[in-house]
Amino acid sequence: NAGVTQTPKFQVLKTGQSMTLQCAQDMNHNSMYWYRQDPGMGLRLIYYSASEGTTDKGEVPNGYNVSRLNKREFSLRLESAAPSQTSVYFCASSDPLGAGNTIYFGEGSWLTVV
Amino acid sequence: GENVEQHPSTLSVQEGDSAVIKCTYSDSASNYFPWYKQELGKRPQLIIDIRSNVGEKKDQRIAVTLNKTAKHFSLHITETQPEDSAVYFCAAVGGGSNYKLTFGKGTLLTVNP
Repeated sequence: NAGVTQTPKFQVLKTGQSMTLQCAQDMNHNSMYWYRQDPGMGLRLIYYSASEGTTDKGEVPNGYNVSRLNKREFSLRLESAAPSQTSVYFCASSDPLGAGNTIYFGEGSWLTVV
Repeated sequence: GENVEQHPSTLSVQEGDSAVIKCTYSDSASNYFPWYKQELGKRPQLIIDIRSNVGEKKDQRIAVTLNKTAKHFSLHITETQPEDSAVYFCAAVGGGSNYKLTFGKGTLLTVNP
């Protein structure tokens, strides 16, 4: 039982390049999320998917796209990377949080855009 | 949307002392309040949570209190140990959504031996 697995762990991009962060969970959770973490800013929600087939914007969606490929997988794409997107990205999954379910995070992806 | 404020941003205590971190939230309909601990280079991990129908919850040296009227909740760590040193985040789930977990900006707790 791996929990939430995300790849790659580290990536350096040049400005304007594109890339996709991959995430998969094996806990049969309905909901999946992408957060970014910047120093002094806490964790901010980029996009989430309440259930398979749906995606919604979070607090900071600009510059990103997502795909909920199936119940297990939720990918985050940067079409044209910018230095402001240098951050640590966390994928997460859960069942409905309002019912008191826990959110589980992946190990994080360190992205640097130069 | 929900707004979560967390204080202090840094906290330094001596081993064995207590540590208290406070958070306020804006959405009176929020109903779930987890706390996460994040060690350097690691993922955030849940340490304790509380739901809106409960005023206090304890788990060994950790406790969380919730004041719905004042819209604030606090994390209390007693008998602190060096391994408690980490960044702690509070969070709240807004009453209008089961999916948007809004985080505070974090508290760097340092426990000095």
